[in-house]
Amino acid sequence: GENVEQHPSTLSVQEGDSAVIKCTYSDSASNYFPWYKQELGKRPQLIIDIRSNVGEKKDQRIAVTLNKTAKHFSLHITETQPEDSAVYFCAATHSSGGSYIPTFGRGTSLIVHP
Amino acid sequence: DTAVSQTPKYLVTQMGNDKSIKCEQNLGHDTMYWYKQDSKKFLKIMFSYNNKELIINETVPNRFSPKSPDKAHLNLHINSLELGDSAVYFCASSQIRDRGNEKLFFGSGTQLSVL
Repeated sequence: GENVEQHPSTLSVQEGDSAVIKCTYSDSASNYFPWYKQELGKRPQLIIDIRSNVGEKKDQRIAVTLNKTAKHFSLHITETQPEDSAVYFCAATHSSGGSYIPTFGRGTSLIVHP
Repeated sequence: DTAVSQTPKYLVTQMGNDKSIKCEQNLGHDTMYWYKQDSKKFLKIMFSYNNKELIINETVPNRFSPKSPDKAHLNLHINSLELGDSAVYFCASSQIRDRGNEKLFFGSGTQLSVL
């Protein structure tokens, strides 16, 4: 099955700095890569996703890049704000219309200091 | 108008008891899931279910069983609760047949504490 490694486990930055979280996956058939943000005591929510036919996607201050050959993808947050503090999860999925099991990384706790 | 709702939000019980957590989605999705989130925040898939197929993570003890009375509900039954079952359990749903909309919608979670 799929195995997703996520680094770092904890990331501490100053407000205004950039933050980068990296993930690698093992199953070359995976073709959908979502990122979820989970604030303290809340449910995980999708913030951005990318498919294997796209190398980069951006939405305001967040961007995701995908290197399909190397099987790694990254989340980039620019101009970080205290409200970006949360746990971020990457996931890799083989989406074929049949079985569909998103496999999550172990999460990155991002702390943005004011 | 909560998209995915699960009850109860908190569940405190004794070891050895049997308990259930209910989940309902009003999004018309075709697939539902149960995830376990431990104290280190790791989200571990337990079950994936649509009306045709149940996929079970082989590491899940058979004390855990999903029950789906209809397409909008996937309840989680746990028998003979153990201390190690204490965690937050999240229900989620997605529409996997509609490519481009596979994102997961999570419920608000159930904090299970086994004493």
